Amino acid sequence: GAGVSQSPSNKVTEKGKDVELRCDPISGHTALYWYRQSLGQGLEFLIYFQGNSAPDKSGLPSDRFSAERTGGSVSTLTIQRTQQEDSAVYLCASSSYQGNGYTFGSGTRLTVV
Amino acid sequence: AQSVAQPEDQVNVAEGNPLTVKCTYSVSGNPYLFWYVQYPNRGLQFLLKYITGDNLVKGSYGFEAEFNKSQTSFHLKKPSALVSDSALYFCAVRDPTDSGSARQLTFGSGTQLTVLP
Repeated sequence: GAGVSQSPSNKVTEKGKDVELRCDPISGHTALYWYRQSLGQGLEFLIYFQGNSAPDKSGLPSDRFSAERTGGSVSTLTIQRTQQEDSAVYLCASSSYQGNGYTFGSGTRLTVV
Repeated sequence: AQSVAQPEDQVNVAEGNPLTVKCTYSVSGNPYLFWYVQYPNRGLQFLLKYITGDNLVKGSYGFEAEFNKSQTSFHLKKPSALVSDSALYFCAVRDPTDSGSARQLTFGSGTQLTVLP
């Protein structure tokens, strides 16, 4: 598509439930990134996919967080047993292999109640 | 390791006045530097980047930034601010020679710019 698409745009979930956040990157972009933006905070790197290489998961805050990227395109970020501190905006971005700048999606605002 | 600092959480400026949003960085090699802007309830939008070449980089919406290697800075500037420039601005850096984070941008904590009418 023309841009990076994320869904849902907003998600309210009960504490302890699992959630899945979806990212559809720009067609042809081989790199895909997930970041988290908490209220009043900067961007926290979560995970990075590049082509068919093993993902860089170094930013995932706990084992409740996981992500996959199917067919080198769409990615799903899964948070299991959500906690209130997981409430944040989750941003997805993609870039070409050269990685000279990202294109961001509009984000998913997750609220855990 | 790469890092970036935005020393000001908040910058206020009157409409029509010049604005500066500060950014300093730390990398072991030559940096790739970026500015992004975030409007309320929106994702980040790319403003400009420095990869190589002229130290003064011009970007979207009349913004520009100057790469200063000796001061390890990449301050964002605009000669005449508009109320519509009010937003959250992020500086980001990448060290292409760092294999541990070769494709990952490291972002600053953001600076909230408010342009007063």
